[in-house]
Amino acid sequence: DTAVSQTPKYLVTQMGNDKSIKCEQNLGHDTMYWYKQDSKKFLKIMFSYNNKELIINETVPNRFSPKSPDKAHLNLHINSLELGDSAVYFCASSRDRDRDNSPLHFGNGTRLTVT
Amino acid sequence: GNSVTQMEGPVTLSEEAFLTINCTYTATGYPSLFWYVQYPGEGLQLLLKATKADDKGSNKGFEATYRKETTSFHLEKGSVQVSDSAVYFCALRPGSARQLTFGSGTQLTVLP
Repeated sequence: DTAVSQTPKYLVTQMGNDKSIKCEQNLGHDTMYWYKQDSKKFLKIMFSYNNKELIINETVPNRFSPKSPDKAHLNLHINSLELGDSAVYFCASSRDRDRDNSPLHFGNGTRLTVT
Repeated sequence: GNSVTQMEGPVTLSEEAFLTINCTYTATGYPSLFWYVQYPGEGLQLLLKATKADDKGSNKGFEATYRKETTSFHLEKGSVQVSDSAVYFCALRPGSARQLTFGSGTQLTVLP
Protein backbone atom coordinates (compact mmCIF):
# COMPACT_ATOMS: atom_id res chain seq x y z
CA ASP A 1 0.00 0.00 0.00
CA THR A 2 1.29 3.42 -0.93
CA ALA A 3 1.82 5.55 2.17
CA VAL A 4 2.05 9.00 0.58
CA SER A 5 0.68 9.25 -2.92
CA GLN A 6 0.78 12.21 -5.28
CA THR A 7 -0.96 12.79 -8.55
CA PRO A 8 -0.09 13.40 -11.25
CA LYS A 9 3.45 12.04 -11.53
CA TYR A 10 4.19 14.26 -14.52
CA LEU A 11 2.59 17.56 -15.44
CA VAL A 12 3.47 19.48 -18.58
CA THR A 13 1.66 22.75 -19.14
CA GLN A 14 2.03 26.17 -20.68
CA MET A 15 2.83 29.46 -19.00
CA GLY A 16 -0.18 31.23 -17.58
CA ASN A 17 -2.20 28.09 -16.92
CA ASP A 18 -3.57 27.03 -13.52
CA LYS A 19 -2.86 23.52 -12.25
CA SER A 20 -3.31 21.42 -9.14
CA ILE A 21 -1.31 18.62 -7.55
CA LYS A 22 -3.00 16.26 -5.12
CA CYS A 23 -1.53 14.42 -2.18
CA GLU A 24 -2.96 11.82 0.14
CA GLN A 25 -1.42 9.90 3.03
CA ASN A 26 -2.81 6.76 4.66
CA LEU A 27 -0.40 6.71 7.60
CA GLY A 28 -2.67 8.51 10.04
CA HIS A 29 -0.16 11.35 10.33
CA ASP A 30 -1.15 14.77 11.62
CA THR A 31 1.23 16.92 9.62
CA MET A 32 1.71 17.25 5.88
CA TYR A 33 4.19 19.25 3.83
CA TRP A 34 4.98 20.48 0.36
CA TYR A 35 8.63 20.68 -0.68
CA LYS A 36 10.04 21.98 -3.94
CA GLN A 37 13.13 20.38 -5.48
CA ASP A 38 14.92 22.42 -8.10
CA SER A 39 17.07 21.21 -10.98
CA LYS A 40 20.12 21.04 -8.69
CA LYS A 41 18.25 18.73 -6.31
CA PHE A 42 17.97 21.39 -3.61
CA LEU A 43 14.91 20.83 -1.41
CA LYS A 44 13.02 23.74 0.11
CA ILE A 45 9.99 23.67 2.37
CA MET A 46 6.99 25.52 0.98
CA PHE A 47 4.06 24.79 3.27
CA SER A 48 3.04 22.63 6.17
CA TYR A 49 -0.36 21.80 7.59
CA ASN A 50 -1.14 20.25 10.95
CA ASN A 51 -4.65 18.86 11.31
CA LYS A 52 -5.87 21.07 8.46
CA GLU A 53 -4.27 24.20 9.92
CA LEU A 54 -1.52 26.04 8.06
CA ILE A 55 1.57 26.15 10.28
CA ILE A 56 4.43 26.83 7.90
CA ASN A 57 4.22 29.24 5.01
CA GLU A 58 7.64 30.04 3.65
CA THR A 59 8.35 32.82 1.21
CA VAL A 60 6.37 31.45 -1.69
CA PRO A 61 4.54 33.51 -4.34
CA ASN A 62 0.84 34.04 -3.71
CA ARG A 63 0.18 32.09 -6.89
CA PHE A 64 0.76 28.96 -4.81
CA SER A 65 -2.16 28.06 -2.57
CA PRO A 66 -2.31 24.89 -0.47
CA LYS A 67 -5.58 23.39 0.62
CA SER A 68 -6.16 20.70 3.21
CA PRO A 69 -9.74 19.36 3.22
CA ASP A 70 -8.83 16.88 5.95
CA LYS A 71 -5.67 15.77 7.68
CA ALA A 72 -5.06 12.98 5.16
CA HIS A 73 -5.02 15.31 2.16
CA LEU A 74 -2.97 18.31 1.16
CA ASN A 75 -3.39 19.72 -2.32
CA LEU A 76 -1.35 22.39 -4.04
CA HIS A 77 -2.91 24.77 -6.53
CA ILE A 78 -0.74 26.98 -8.69
CA ASN A 79 -2.13 29.94 -10.61
CA SER A 80 -0.58 31.67 -13.61
CA LEU A 81 2.26 29.22 -13.99
CA GLU A 82 5.69 30.59 -14.84
CA LEU A 83 8.78 29.00 -16.35
CA GLY A 84 10.55 29.20 -12.97
CA ASP A 85 7.91 26.98 -11.41
CA SER A 86 9.34 24.01 -13.26
CA ALA A 87 10.59 21.63 -10.58
CA VAL A 88 9.73 18.44 -8.77
CA TYR A 89 7.19 18.95 -6.00
CA PHE A 90 7.20 16.51 -3.11
CA CYS A 91 4.47 15.92 -0.61
CA ALA A 92 5.43 14.50 2.78
CA SER A 93 3.82 13.65 6.09
CA SER A 94 4.91 13.03 9.66
CA ARG A 95 3.48 12.04 13.00
CA ASP A 96 3.17 15.05 15.20
CA ARG A 97 3.36 13.65 18.69
CA ASP A 98 6.92 12.34 18.21
CA ARG A 99 7.95 15.56 16.62
CA ASP A 100 11.56 15.53 17.71
CA ASN A 101 12.56 12.37 15.91
CA SER A 102 9.65 11.40 13.72
CA PRO A 103 10.88 11.12 10.15
CA LEU A 104 9.07 12.54 7.17
CA HIS A 105 7.55 10.12 4.70
CA PHE A 106 7.72 11.37 1.14
CA GLY A 107 5.64 10.79 -1.94
CA ASN A 108 7.34 10.01 -5.24
CA GLY A 109 7.07 13.55 -6.48
CA THR A 110 5.32 15.44 -9.27
CA ARG A 111 7.56 16.67 -12.04
CA LEU A 112 6.12 19.94 -13.28
CA THR A 113 7.36 21.31 -16.58
CA VAL A 114 6.18 24.73 -17.68
CA THR A 115 6.74 25.56 -21.34
CA GLY B 1 19.41 30.05 11.60
CA ASN B 2 19.42 26.35 10.89
CA SER B 3 21.46 25.00 8.02
CA VAL B 4 23.08 21.85 6.71
CA THR B 5 26.24 21.72 4.63
CA GLN B 6 27.07 18.63 2.64
CA MET B 7 30.14 17.79 0.61
CA GLU B 8 29.60 18.64 -3.00
CA GLY B 9 29.22 15.90 -5.51
CA PRO B 10 29.11 14.14 -7.67
CA VAL B 11 30.97 11.28 -6.04
CA THR B 12 31.99 8.35 -8.22
CA LEU B 13 33.33 5.14 -6.67
CA SER B 14 34.09 1.62 -7.74
CA GLU B 15 32.10 -1.22 -6.27
CA GLU B 16 33.34 -2.29 -2.83
CA ALA B 17 35.05 1.05 -2.19
CA PHE B 18 34.68 2.88 1.12
CA LEU B 19 32.22 5.77 1.16
CA THR B 20 32.21 8.93 3.23
CA ILE B 21 29.81 11.80 2.63
CA ASN B 22 30.50 14.72 4.95
CA CYS B 23 27.70 16.63 6.64
CA THR B 24 27.96 19.48 9.11
CA TYR B 25 25.16 21.52 10.59
CA THR B 26 24.26 24.73 12.34
CA ALA B 27 21.24 24.70 14.60
CA THR B 28 19.76 26.14 17.75
CA GLY B 29 19.29 23.69 20.55
CA TYR B 30 19.76 19.99 20.01
CA PRO B 31 18.43 18.86 16.66
CA SER B 32 17.63 15.40 15.44
CA LEU B 33 19.71 14.41 12.43
CA PHE B 34 18.74 12.32 9.43
CA TRP B 35 20.10 10.88 6.24
CA TYR B 36 17.68 10.42 3.37
CA VAL B 37 18.30 8.67 0.06
CA GLN B 38 16.63 9.43 -3.26
CA TYR B 39 16.83 6.80 -5.98
CA PRO B 40 16.27 7.93 -9.57
CA GLY B 41 12.68 8.90 -10.23
CA GLU B 42 11.58 8.30 -6.66
CA GLY B 43 10.86 10.26 -3.52
CA LEU B 44 13.12 10.51 -0.53
CA GLN B 45 13.41 7.58 1.84
CA LEU B 46 14.71 7.70 5.36
CA LEU B 47 18.06 5.91 5.52
CA LEU B 48 18.97 6.46 9.17
CA LYS B 49 18.62 8.90 12.01
CA ALA B 50 20.13 9.95 15.34
CA THR B 51 18.36 11.99 17.95
CA LYS B 52 21.06 12.88 20.48
CA ALA B 53 24.79 13.35 20.79
CA ASP B 54 26.94 10.24 20.28
CA ASP B 55 24.01 8.25 18.89
CA LYS B 56 24.90 6.13 15.89
CA GLY B 57 22.29 5.56 13.24
CA SER B 58 22.71 2.57 10.96
CA ASN B 59 20.82 0.86 8.15
CA LYS B 60 21.72 -1.27 5.10
CA GLY B 61 25.42 -1.08 5.94
CA PHE B 62 25.39 2.72 6.22
CA GLU B 63 26.34 4.42 9.47
CA ALA B 64 26.47 7.97 10.82
CA THR B 65 27.39 9.21 14.29
CA TYR B 66 25.97 12.38 15.83
CA ARG B 67 29.01 14.42 16.85
CA LYS B 68 27.97 17.44 18.86
CA GLU B 69 31.52 18.70 19.39
CA THR B 70 32.15 18.95 15.66
CA THR B 71 28.46 19.48 14.69
CA SER B 72 28.79 16.71 12.16
CA PHE B 73 26.86 13.66 10.97
CA HIS B 74 29.05 12.07 8.30
CA LEU B 75 27.64 9.13 6.36
CA GLU B 76 29.87 6.08 5.87
CA LYS B 77 29.67 2.67 4.27
CA GLY B 78 32.46 0.16 4.20
CA SER B 79 31.75 -1.40 0.82
CA VAL B 80 29.41 0.27 -1.65
CA GLN B 81 27.37 -1.53 -4.29
CA VAL B 82 26.09 -0.43 -7.67
CA SER B 83 22.60 -0.36 -6.17
CA ASP B 84 23.71 2.37 -3.74
CA SER B 85 23.86 4.86 -6.61
CA ALA B 86 21.49 7.63 -5.58
CA VAL B 87 21.36 11.14 -4.17
CA TYR B 88 21.97 11.35 -0.42
CA PHE B 89 20.57 14.16 1.70
CA CYS B 90 21.60 15.13 5.20
CA ALA B 91 18.85 16.85 7.19
CA LEU B 92 18.10 18.21 10.62
CA ARG B 93 15.02 18.90 12.67
CA PRO B 94 15.75 21.42 15.41
CA GLY B 95 13.99 21.17 18.75
CA SER B 96 10.25 21.13 18.34
CA ALA B 97 10.17 22.20 14.71
CA ARG B 98 8.12 20.05 12.44
CA GLN B 99 9.88 20.55 9.14
CA LEU B 100 13.24 19.23 8.08
CA THR B 101 16.04 21.44 6.81
CA PHE B 102 17.97 19.65 4.08
CA GLY B 103 21.48 19.86 2.77
CA SER B 104 22.03 20.28 -0.95
CA GLY B 105 22.32 16.57 -1.64
CA THR B 106 25.26 14.50 -2.86
CA GLN B 107 25.00 12.42 -6.01
CA LEU B 108 26.73 9.05 -5.62
CA THR B 109 27.50 6.85 -8.61
CA VAL B 110 28.97 3.39 -8.02
CA LEU B 111 30.59 1.72 -11.01
CA PRO B 112 30.82 -2.07 -11.41
